[in-house]
Amino acid sequence: DTAVSQTPKYLVTQMGNDKSIKCEQNLGHDTMYWYKQDSKKFLKIMFSYNNKELIINETVPNRFSPKSPDKAHLNLHINSLELGDSAVYFCASSHPFMGANYGYTFGSGTRLTVV
Amino acid sequence: AQKVTQAQTEISVVEKEDVTLDCVYETRDTTYYLFWYKQPPSGELVFLIRRNSFDEQNEISGRYSWNFQKSTSSFNFTITASQVVDSAVYFCALSTHNTDKLIFGTGTRLQVFP
Repeated sequence: DTAVSQTPKYLVTQMGNDKSIKCEQNLGHDTMYWYKQDSKKFLKIMFSYNNKELIINETVPNRFSPKSPDKAHLNLHINSLELGDSAVYFCASSHPFMGANYGYTFGSGTRLTVV
Repeated sequence: AQKVTQAQTEISVVEKEDVTLDCVYETRDTTYYLFWYKQPPSGELVFLIRRNSFDEQNEISGRYSWNFQKSTSSFNFTITASQVVDSAVYFCALSTHNTDKLIFGTGTRLQVFP
């Protein structure tokens, strides 16, 4: 059983299109995240949700809209895709901070290529 | 502000050499966690270790060891007798009590040659 699964693994699309990336976790975690890894491998948080509530929104263009239908799912919708959106997007979930099992579990990533 | 610095962009070693990856962090929070992740060429992020700010004990796991020193705000990672399979990008990361998110360093690319 995959703990954090995201689909698709690869996504190639043209500029201007709208696309979604889905993420699901079966770990029972309350908090989920989206991270972006750019071409230089730099990883930066985009959003976090705790039990369906938006907690962190890190200076991300409005074209990016996360949606959490329940605490096990956090999807990322991107409108009007631009070349600069090409990156690897990682979904993650975490145990409560300071808990004995605190830590982050990452999905395998979605490589988005905008052409 | 929180920050993680991995000054070594790329390290190349020959198999069986020992190698240390440096990590320096900045935070004003007294409660925080430090992490190391490995990203092999396949691209996934593999968790290696978590250390909390109250526990300065060094840790050893097989060929891997970690040296946490609060006095120098460092959390260095040593691979003993490196192997080709250790070739990857290694990330050090920080999370704090006030910011429930991982702040990553820029990563160190380790290449181990046979």
